[in-house]
Amino acid sequence: ETGVTQSPTHLIKTRGQQVTLRCSSQSGHNTVSWYQQALGQGPQFIFQYYREEENGRGNFPPRFSGLQFPNYSSELNVNALELDDSALYLCASSLSSGMAQFFGPGTRLTVL
Amino acid sequence: DAKTTQPTSMDCAEGRAANLPCNHSTISGNEYVYWYRQIHSQGPQYIIHGLKNNETNEMASLIITEDRKSSTLILPHATLRDTAVYYCIVRGHGSSNTGKLIFGQGTTLQVKP
Repeated sequence: ETGVTQSPTHLIKTRGQQVTLRCSSQSGHNTVSWYQQALGQGPQFIFQYYREEENGRGNFPPRFSGLQFPNYSSELNVNALELDDSALYLCASSLSSGMAQFFGPGTRLTVL
Repeated sequence: DAKTTQPTSMDCAEGRAANLPCNHSTISGNEYVYWYRQIHSQGPQYIIHGLKNNETNEMASLIITEDRKSSTLILPHATLRDTAVYYCIVRGHGSSNTGKLIFGQGTTLQVKP
């Protein structure tokens, strides 16, 4: 157990809807990174939040957005859901930006 | 970030050592080698990381060649629960680097009874 928790575990949405995923970082960690993992692929970096500021972004469109709160928990928001957004969404926390990342169990999103 | 090359799959007998190789010939001087593993449908699990010296923890050992162009992850006594996809990742380190992890396809390790 890494101490990183994510909610919900699973959810099902329809195309065009919006979704918010949540992540609680490990105690003492100020950095959260989000990844998307499609079936059969390795995780792909979406973005990272360090001390409440976005600190790097992967090749994802603006409809993927995030937030980090003063307690360093984080949200991932996806607007205008598409079928290809169906994936396992992973968050990882680290002691600081650039340090070892520890992953949560993920949220399985299905878009119909 | 440097790219890595790993075999697609490997088998190992239960109780024997599993040696997983990784090539990272374009690694920079300030880049670390990280290993993660992912058991089906779970989040990736951190195993170990190192810069140039060999490292050991309760899970595994990491052997990095002197020229740092390749490394080997060693699970000393593999069990069935070690069956997973193992990812070798090279990345920068420290607060000036986002340290995003770039996952390749990894090595699927099958531990057999």
